Amino acid sequence: AQKITQTQPGMFVQEKEAVTLDCTYDTSDQSYGLFWYKQPSSGEMIFLIYQGSYDEQNATEGRYSLNFQKARKSANLVISASQLGDSAMYFCAMREMSTDDKIIFGKGTRLHILP
Amino acid sequence: DAMVIQNPRYQVTQFGKPVTLSCSQTLNHNVMYWYQQKSSQAPKLLFHYYDKDFNNEADTPDNFQSRRPNTSFCFLDIRSPGLGDAAMYLCATSRGRGGDEAFFGQGTRLTVV
Repeated sequence: AQKITQTQPGMFVQEKEAVTLDCTYDTSDQSYGLFWYKQPSSGEMIFLIYQGSYDEQNATEGRYSLNFQKARKSANLVISASQLGDSAMYFCAMREMSTDDKIIFGKGTRLHILP
Repeated sequence: DAMVIQNPRYQVTQFGKPVTLSCSQTLNHNVMYWYQQKSSQAPKLLFHYYDKDFNNEADTPDNFQSRRPNTSFCFLDIRSPGLGDAAMYLCATSRGRGGDEAFFGQGTRLTVV
């Protein structure tokens, strides 16, 4: 069963607009962590932001914020004031604390920022 | 200043010829991961180590093996590469259980000819 679902294969957004990338997850663990990574065309995976299941506040890192809705099992990434350099593949990932440190990725969303 | 280093960045191997990809880390992290990523797909976890404890994913083919001789190094061995094994191979590390993110190397792009 797919544990991480990213329903947007691709998105086009005008530069300077905010963008929301969707992520839903499935777990029966009470303790888990959610991550977002950016993968530019060079191939490296760049960590963006982390949200723990017990964190009451939504995580923020600069222009990135994570809209965590635990009851809905959703962890959407919000990028404010998008820039051309934000064009990349974005992956949502999860670690369930009961499963030996595995980090599992969703299928990703390709984001295109238009000038 | 690279903390997770993968060598080589690009590897071309012949069909059926064993190949080894290497990963080293300067972070002293407990966990090391190997992922396979094919074009426009999600990284797929092949296996991971917590210290010397090896964890193989159920659907990882037997053709793929791994070694972790010490904390700093981890190797991915492909015993008989097939055309379907052409992919980007990503190594990552993390401190261990908890909320720590995984740090990735730049990947090795494997071509099978």
